[in-house]
Amino acid sequence: AQSVSQHNHHVILSEAASLELGCNYSYGGTVNLFWYVQYPGQHLQLLLKYFSGDPLVKGIKGFEAEFIKSKFSFNLRKPSVQWSDTAEYFCAVRSDNTDKLIFGTGTRLQVFP
Amino acid sequence: EPEVTQTPSHQVTQMGQEVILRCVPISNHLYFYWYRQILGQKVEFLVSFYNNEISEKSEIFDDQFSVERPDGSNFTLKIRSTKLEDSAMYFCASRMVGSTNEKLFFGSGTQLSVL
Repeated sequence: AQSVSQHNHHVILSEAASLELGCNYSYGGTVNLFWYVQYPGQHLQLLLKYFSGDPLVKGIKGFEAEFIKSKFSFNLRKPSVQWSDTAEYFCAVRSDNTDKLIFGTGTRLQVFP
Repeated sequence: EPEVTQTPSHQVTQMGQEVILRCVPISNHLYFYWYRQILGQKVEFLVSFYNNEISEKSEIFDDQFSVERPDGSNFTLKIRSTKLEDSAMYFCASRMVGSTNEKLFFGSGTQLSVL
C-alpha cells in the first residue's frame, strides 16, 4: 500500500533561516507528488507539484522541492523563511492508477520574527 | 481565485444522529472529493465522485456514508448514524474535467464533533 512519511512533525525557525521539510513515499510505480500548505483557519492550498520532467520544481512563495526517485523523496525547501510562512505543510502522493491523494501527517512550521 | 465553499464550518451532533455536510464546488468543476482529518492524524481520502456516481472510495467509506449531488451545485456527504470516531475535519475538493494533472481545489473544511 502507498504511504507518505513526513519525519518533521514540528519545526521552529527564526525569520531568514533556511527550511527543508522531509517527505518520503512508498510506491514502486509512477507517482505524482504534491506539497500543500494550510495557513491557520484556511483551506489546503497547493504549493507545488511534480508530474514529470525537471525533478526540481518551483512553487509559489519561493518554495521549491526536489524529486529524488532513487530515494523516494520529495523534500520541500525555502532558502529564507518569513513569519507569514507559519502554517502546516502536507506532502501528498498520487499513483498513476488512481485519482486519490495519499497525505503525510503534516509538519507544523512556526517562524518567529 | 475561485473557492470551494463548505458549510457549516463547525457541526456538533450526538452519537447516532445523521449529519449532512455541504459543499459547493467550483462551478465548472466536475470531479468531486471528500477527505477527512482526525485530529493529529493524516488527511485521509474518503471518496471521489464523477458523472453522478462514485468513482473511487476508501475502506473508511462504509455503508454509513453516502454522497450526493442533489441539485447540480451542492455536493453533500451524509453520515447516517454518527460514531464518536467520526469526529474529524471534513474537506471537500473539486477539479475540472480532464487529466488528473488538473489542480485540486479544497474547501476550508467542516469540523464535525460527535458527542
